[in-house]
Amino acid sequence: RKEVEQDPGPFNVPEGATVAFNCTYSNSASQSFFWYRQDCRKEPKLLMSVYSSGNEDGRFTAQLNRASQYISLLIRDSKLSDSATYLCGTNTGGFKTIFGAGTRLFVKA
Amino acid sequence: GAVVSQHPSWVICKSGTSVKIECRSLDFQATTMFWYRQFPKQSLMLMATSNEGSKATYEQGVEKDKFLINHASLTLSTLTVTSAHPEDSSFYICSASADRVHGWANVLTFGAGSRLTVL
Repeated sequence: RKEVEQDPGPFNVPEGATVAFNCTYSNSASQSFFWYRQDCRKEPKLLMSVYSSGNEDGRFTAQLNRASQYISLLIRDSKLSDSATYLCGTNTGGFKTIFGAGTRLFVKA
Repeated sequence: GAVVSQHPSWVICKSGTSVKIECRSLDFQATTMFWYRQFPKQSLMLMATSNEGSKATYEQGVEKDKFLINHASLTLSTLTVTSAHPEDSSFYICSASADRVHGWANVLTFGAGSRLTVL
C-alpha cells in the first residue's frame, strides 16, 4: 500500500463548478499535511498547508481528519487557471515529505 | 520569499555518461535538501535526503552508487547521475525547507527541476 494515496482523476469540470479531492495517508505518525499544485512540466508549488481545524484560503478549503487519516481539498467557483495536478503531501515532523500520485484537474469553459 | 535554484533545467546526454545537477538555496541556508524524481504522469518519488556535511540518506530501492549526492555547503547540494542510461531519463527536482520564511514548519520549496534525457 502506498503511503499517500489520492483520487487519480482526471476531473473534468466546467468553469464555476465546485470540485473536491481526497487523499488518505497510512502513516499514523504523520504530523504535517499539505496541498501542492503542479502545472505541466513544472515544479510543485505550495497551495496550502492543512491544519487540524481545517482552513480556508479564498476559494480553497482544506480539511484534515486524523481519525480516518484523510485530507481533502475543496475548490469552489473553479477557474480555467485552476487546471493543474494537485499533490497531497505529508511528513512526520521533519522536512521529508511524501507525496501522493496527484489528481489532475481540467476546468473547461 | 524562499527561492531554490536548480541547474541545468534540461540536459540531453549519451548513454554511459555522467550528469551533474545543482540545487542552490538562494536566500536561506538549508542543512537538509531533498531530491525527487518524477516520470511522466507519475508521482513525485523521494530519492534521497541530502545532509550538509554528511552522507545522504537514500530511500529504499534507490542506488547510492548510481545517484551520488554531495551537500558540501549550506546552500548547495548536487546530484550526479552516474553512467546514465535511457531508463534514467526523468524529471529530477530538488527541494529545501525555509520554514522561517513561510512562518510555519516543514514546508518545502522546490527548484524548477531538471529534465534529463539519456539517448
